[in-house]
Amino acid sequence: AQTVTQSQPEMSVQEAETVTLSCTYDTSENNYYLFWYKQPPSRQMILVIRQEAYKQQNATENRFSVNFQKAAKSFSLKISDSQLGDTAMYFCARMIYNQGGKLIFGQGTELSVKP
Amino acid sequence: DVKVTQSSRYLVKRTGEKVFLECVQDMDHENMFWYRQDPGLGLRLIYFSYDVKMKEKGDIPEGYSVSREKKERFSLILESASTNQTSMYLCASSLFRGNTEAFFGQGTRLTVV
Repeated sequence: AQTVTQSQPEMSVQEAETVTLSCTYDTSENNYYLFWYKQPPSRQMILVIRQEAYKQQNATENRFSVNFQKAAKSFSLKISDSQLGDTAMYFCARMIYNQGGKLIFGQGTELSVKP
Repeated sequence: DVKVTQSSRYLVKRTGEKVFLECVQDMDHENMFWYRQDPGLGLRLIYFSYDVKMKEKGDIPEGYSVSREKKERFSLILESASTNQTSMYLCASSLFRGNTEAFFGQGTRLTVV
């Protein structure tokens, strides 16, 4: 089965601190893409960061970075200097390249940033 | 900016009704998706389409059908709505393959009574 697993249903962090959200996935493909999406209370899904599996370098976008461990099939998201606006549901997703770009999501992690 | 528009933000329907959820995107994307979002279960793929008149079943297609007659429009149909189809429905679109993000609509919260 092509699955994406987020094992942390809820997390909280103090403002300005660092938090890491976990994601693991199952695949037999060698080339694929991984994404983290954010869904704030407004419900609008927003892309946070993306990673191409053939690139060894971990992706970084400002305060957001990933730890991509291809052999372990792990793709965690690190948020540095957490801000109140980071409070949201975060979803990990994988694109199944040989199925026309089909996107599979994990169960989500609800992150609360506390002042 | 890419825009994905879902026809309704909130919808209340009766059991047994035929329900249409419409989604339109304005960026000429090949792929379009319908997801269902439930607490603790994340986003589950119902159907996706990578071309006009093409459709592929996702993980939970039972009780649903789809229609894609034009590239920009992807409709989700609940043939006979049931209370267990009460949920948030999200539409998304993306370019075919590649390192491209999916763009989402704002979701339709459907309640079946």
